[in-house]
Amino acid sequence: EVQLVESGGGLVQPGGSLRLSCAASGFTFSNDVMRWVRQAPGKGLEWVSSIFDSGGRTYYADSVKGRFTISTDNSKNTLFLQMNSLRAEDTAVYYCARTFGSDHYFGLWGRGTLVTVSS
Amino acid sequence: QSVLTQPPSVSGAPGQRVTISCTGSSSNIGAGYGVHWYQQLPGTAPKLLIHGNDKRPSGVPDRFSGSKSGTSASLAITGLQAEDEADYYCQSYDSSLTALVFGGGTKLTVL
Repeated sequence: EVQLVESGGGLVQPGGSLRLSCAASGFTFSNDVMRWVRQAPGKGLEWVSSIFDSGGRTYYADSVKGRFTISTDNSKNTLFLQMNSLRAEDTAVYYCARTFGSDHYFGLWGRGTLVTVSS
Repeated sequence: QSVLTQPPSVSGAPGQRVTISCTGSSSNIGAGYGVHWYQQLPGTAPKLLIHGNDKRPSGVPDRFSGSKSGTSASLAITGLQAEDEADYYCQSYDSSLTALVFGGGTKLTVL
């Protein structure tokens, strides 16, 4: 079955760090474009970060640039998001997702993992 | 403020037709980038409904359709059913921001 499963969320204090993982199964994503999208409680969807060409190119939303790092371990078919200097406004459900086509639509989503930044 | 503008809410009775608009600008929808639509049921991850303005993935009922004109796009749902009650999001690419962008979401209530 083709699926994405996130893990690593939890409660962290402001200024702290957390590393999210996303395990892919049913396909090999080394040539795919993988992304992280987040959703704050009761709010809409926000693109966070993208990785192309197994790390050859990475992109970040301005809100997380310099604090978050996206990466992959192709041997384990796993996507990561290293989050440092966390702020209260980073509190959200984080989804990993696979995009398709030149139009970059999100065709496969994980179930999400909740990150809560609070003292 | 979202780059793509959607109405916060729409409603309709079972069997009726509703439309959800998504208004962008010359750097996203108006620049020719595709518009995609997602349905998010309560407590679940988003699900792709429409991609490339008007293409339905397999398994999505033909009650859902998309269109695009100029700097705007629309999602139409005909034969409204109770299980259509959800949040709907549009998404595109913005060349000025060099980022994928979402609308703020529209909550559909089936009366």
